[in-house]
Amino acid sequence: GAVVSQHPSRVICKSGTSVKIECRSLDFQATTMFWYRQFPKQSLMLMATSNEGSKATYEQGVEKDKFLINHASLTLSTLTVTSAHPEDSSFYICSAPRRFVSGQETQYFGPGTRLLVL
Amino acid sequence: AQSVSQHNHHVILSEAASLELGCNYSYGGTVNLFWYVQYPGQHLQLLLKYFSGDPLVKGIKGFEAEFIKSKFSFNLRKPSVQWSDTAEYFCAVNYGGATNKLIFGTGTLLAVQP
Repeated sequence: GAVVSQHPSRVICKSGTSVKIECRSLDFQATTMFWYRQFPKQSLMLMATSNEGSKATYEQGVEKDKFLINHASLTLSTLTVTSAHPEDSSFYICSAPRRFVSGQETQYFGPGTRLLVL
Repeated sequence: AQSVSQHNHHVILSEAASLELGCNYSYGGTVNLFWYVQYPGQHLQLLLKYFSGDPLVKGIKGFEAEFIKSKFSFNLRKPSVQWSDTAEYFCAVNYGGATNKLIFGTGTLLAVQP
């Protein structure tokens, strides 16, 4: 089945540093990938849509200079949290849509990356 | 604004009890509907999905959901839950069109007591 991986699974960093999170689709190609943020006991909030070969599309209220997204290839998207602060601590999840022969599309989610900024 | 609501934040059931989790979405034309499950320490997994056709959709692990267009609802059901169903359940909607992004509900935490 389709699998999406994320690396690292958890990271602890000092305030002011930048952190890069990778999202890979392992057995299919994805021209778009999605980045979500999940706060404790809350739902997933879509941050941005990563587009292969073009700029990411950010949701309202998400700082594009803060959360840099690069869709380097058809199987890799990266999210860089720049100058991280404690309020950026959260669980970041990516997903990649896979379209089947039937035309239906299903999102497959990565295991998430837990970021803690001290 | 397009939104998805799940009214049950926490549900506690005994094994063999029946389950129904509510999901309502705001009007937005054509919709594709999903239920995802997140077991403790694991990533989101697709339970079932509705695109078109029969409004009663059957998914994995004995779950099913019914799309009722007039009520803007897509409730999740299981006739007899097991301890292993303890997890968080998310309803999600894709409003179609050119975008394939999902809007999630707030999730329902289900605890099944043995």
